[in-house]
Amino acid sequence: AQSVAQPEDQVNVAEGNPLTVKCTYSVSGNPYLFWYVQYPNRGLQFLLKYITGDNLVKGSYGFEAEFNKSQTSFHLKKPSALVSDSALYFCAVRGTNAGKSTFGDGTTLTVKP
Amino acid sequence: DAGVIQSPRHEVTEMGQEVTLRCKPISGHNSLFWYRQTMMRGLELLIYFNNNVPIDDSGMPEDRFSAKMPNASFSTLKIQPSEPRDSAVYFCASSRTSGGAYEQYFGPGTRLTVT
Repeated sequence: AQSVAQPEDQVNVAEGNPLTVKCTYSVSGNPYLFWYVQYPNRGLQFLLKYITGDNLVKGSYGFEAEFNKSQTSFHLKKPSALVSDSALYFCAVRGTNAGKSTFGDGTTLTVKP
Repeated sequence: DAGVIQSPRHEVTEMGQEVTLRCKPISGHNSLFWYRQTMMRGLELLIYFNNNVPIDDSGMPEDRFSAKMPNASFSTLKIQPSEPRDSAVYFCASSRTSGGAYEQYFGPGTRLTVT
C-alpha cells in the first residue's frame, strides 16, 4: 500500500519570505514523488517530480523539493514567496510497480503582501 | 498540444437523469484517470485505464457509475441515475507509463450540479 501525509491544512507566509510545504510518504520499494498545484476553478497542474538521482529537484515557477529517504519526506520549497503562489498544493507518491499515484489531502498556501 | 480536453465544463441536471462526462487525453499518453473532487471528501480516484483497459475501479462509488475507454483518444464517465450527492468537480487526467514520465496532466474539469 502507498500513502501520503500533508500534515498542514494551511500554510501562511509573507511575500518575499521562504516557504515550505511538508509531505511525508509511505510506499513499498523506491518511490516516485510528485508535487501538483491547483489554482481556483482549475485542474491540478504538475510542478515537479523525483524519480531517481539528485535528491534536490527543481520545477516550475522557482519551486524545488528535496527527497529525504531516511525521513521519507519530500518537502516543497521556494526561497522567496509571491502572492501569486497562493493556491492548493498536492503531494503524490507512486510505487515503482504501482499503476497509479496516491495523492495527499492538499495544503492551502496563502502568501500575504 | 491542446492538453487534456473535457466536456462539458458545466452540467446542471435533475436528480434521476443520466449524465455523461467526456474526456480526450493527450495524444501518446497510455494511462487515463477519472477523479472526483469535493470540499468534504477532497480528491478521489474513481477509476483508471491503461492502454484502454480498466485496471482499477475500486473507487467507483456504486453501480450507478460506469466508465468506458473505447479507444486511445476518448473516454466517458456515466452516472445513471444521478443523485444530488454526485455534485462535484470531475477531473480527467492522462499520463505516460514509460521513460520516467509518470506525471499526470489534468483537464479543466466538469462541474456537475445535480438538483
